[in-house]
This record gives sequence, structure tokens and C-alpha cells, in this order.
Amino acid sequence: GAVVSQHPSWVICKSGTSVKIECRSLDFQATTMFWYRQFPKQSLMLMATSNEGSKATYEQGVEKDKFLINHASLTLSTLTVTSAHPEDSSFYICSAPVPGSDEQYFGPGTRLTVT
Amino acid sequence: AQKVTQAQTEISVVEKEDVTLDCVYETRDTTYYLFWYKQPPSGELVFLIRRNSFDEQNEISGRYSWNFQKSTSSFNFTITASQVVDSAVYFCALSNYNTDKLIFGTGTRLQVFP
Repeated sequence: GAVVSQHPSWVICKSGTSVKIECRSLDFQATTMFWYRQFPKQSLMLMATSNEGSKATYEQGVEKDKFLINHASLTLSTLTVTSAHPEDSSFYICSAPVPGSDEQYFGPGTRLTVT
Repeated sequence: AQKVTQAQTEISVVEKEDVTLDCVYETRDTTYYLFWYKQPPSGELVFLIRRNSFDEQNEISGRYSWNFQKSTSSFNFTITASQVVDSAVYFCALSNYNTDKLIFGTGTRLQVFP
């Protein structure tokens, strides 16, 4: 079946630095990908919709200048957390719908810890 | 506005018991999709089922079954003869027909003890 990968699976960074998270669709092309954030023991909240070749669409309350999304190819979307702070520590998960099908696959997630 | 409510935050059962996880949703859309996902301790979401709003037939897949009741806006999930490996957080989710964006419930943590 279709697979979505994320890299890295976990990252620890210092406050004030930027971190890039990659989301790849491994065996299908994804014109759209979604980025979710999950705080410990909480639900997944949609952050933004990543669109190949155009600007991402951000959900209300999500700072676009802080969470930079780039969808430069049909198989790769990146989320960069800029000037990270401890409150950005979270589990970041991407997903990609398979075009022409009912299926959507989630990546394994990236655990970000900002110290 | 769309909303998914999972009132049960945590459920504990003993192996072989049946357990039902509740999900109630709100939407103004006439066409929508409902989902259940399993999130084991590893964190990776495992797709369990997708149901569209026009299909109210109950679904059974092995030990899993789902009861969709449009009249009560509920999409409940039952695990029969639970096993320790069923221990996980289960999320119910909703999406509009025209978008793949998912609105998740708060999740139900299921613990199955041997």
C-alpha cells in the first residue's frame, strides 16, 4: 500500500533555532499534503494544507511566518519551525491523500523537543 | 462548524471483554466522511475505517464493528473479545466531502489488561 515517510522521527533543538521536517510520499504523487500537530495526550489539530506549486493554506491561529511550509515537488513537503520555543515542542504528523482514491495515509510523525 | 466528540477519555477492560468507543459528530454538511484511526504507543496513526454519510450500513471487520446512526449523529466502534494488542488511543474523525482535511475528536485511550 501507499506509504508516507517523515524525517527525522525525532529531533531535539535549542530555543531560537529552526528545524525542518520532511514529509515524503514514497510511491504516489501527492498534490496536497496536510500537517497536523499533536500535544501530549491531546488530539491532532490541523495546522495547514500544503499545496504543490503554490502557497500553503494555514488554519486559523497558526502563524504562517513561524511554520514555513514548502511543497516543491509532488512527493515532498517540508515544515520548518522557525525560531523554535519550548512551547513548540510537539508531535508533528503529515498526511497525504492518494489522488483518485478514497485513501489518505499518515506519516509516522516527528517528535520535536525544544530545550 | 464541524466538531467530533469522544466523551470517553479512557476505558479499561480485561482481555476478551467487548468494548464500545463512542463518537458523536456535528456538521452542517449533507455529505461527509467519518473515520476511525488507531494510534498505538509508537504514535503512528493506523487507518481503520472510512464511511460516507450516505452509507448507514453497519460494518464488520473481524473483531471490529462500526455502528453509524445518522439520526443521532453517532459513529460508534466496537471491539469484540478485546486483546492486549488493542491497547491504544482511538480517534474518530470527520471530513467534508470536498476536502481531505480531518477534524479529529479528542481520542479515547483504551487499555486492555491480560
